[in-house]
Amino acid sequence: DQQVKQNSPSLSVQEGRISILNCDYTNSMFDYFLWYKKYPAEGPTFLISISSIKDKNEDGRFTVFLNKSAKHLSLHIVPSQPGDSAVYFCAASSPFNAGGTSYGKLTFGQGTILTVHP
Amino acid sequence: DAGVTQSPTHLIKTRGQQVTLRCSPKSGHDTVSWYQQALGQGPQFIFQYYEEEERQRGNFPDRFSGHQFPNYSSELNVNALLLGDSALYLCASSFAWQGRNEQFFGPGTRLTVL
Repeated sequence: DQQVKQNSPSLSVQEGRISILNCDYTNSMFDYFLWYKKYPAEGPTFLISISSIKDKNEDGRFTVFLNKSAKHLSLHIVPSQPGDSAVYFCAASSPFNAGGTSYGKLTFGQGTILTVHP
Repeated sequence: DAGVTQSPTHLIKTRGQQVTLRCSPKSGHDTVSWYQQALGQGPQFIFQYYEEEERQRGNFPDRFSGHQFPNYSSELNVNALLLGDSALYLCASSFAWQGRNEQFFGPGTRLTVL
C-alpha cells in the first residue's frame, strides 16, 4: 500500500532550466509534506516543507506547490544547478493525536533521481 | 554542533544471525526514529523512541526491536536475519513534538545479509 508515490524514477535537466519533481498521495489524513534531498553515502537532508493550510511555500530557488483536491504536490527548482543532482524524496505526515497512533512518522515516496547537466 | 551519527557504517552478516545498530541523536533532540531503505525505495518507518519507550511502530515484525538510553541514544536490533533485511538503516532525530516538521537523518548503516 504505497500511500506516497513519486512516479518518475528519474529526471534529467539542463543547468539553468527549471526542474519539476512530482509527488502524489492517497491518505487524506496527511496534512504536512516535506521534501528531502539525498546524496550517495549521506543521509537525507531536509529541503523544504508545506502545511496543508497553504498551497505554496518558497525558499530561495525551491518552491513547493500543494494541490489538496488532487492530492498532489510538486517541487520546483529554479534555476537548476549541477550541485542539485541527487535523489529527491517526498514525505508526508499526519497530525499528532492523543490516541497515540501518530507521532510524526514520515511516509516516503520511492524517490526521483535528478541529474542536472552543465 | 554534531549531527546525527550512526555506527557502524557497513556491516555484513549471514542469515539467522543477530545485529545491533547504534545511533546518537543531534544535540538537544530527545526522539529517535529508525527507517529501513531498501535499494531503489524510499525509507520505511520501523519505529520511534521517546523517553526510553517505543511510542510508534511501523509494519515490521517483532524481529526488529530497539532501545533508547537515558542520553537519548538508541539501538536497533534485528534477530534471525533474512536476506530481505539487507538495506540501508537510517536513524533520524527530532524534538518530541516537532518531529513531523523536520527530522534530521544520520548517514545510515549499510547492512548486507548473505
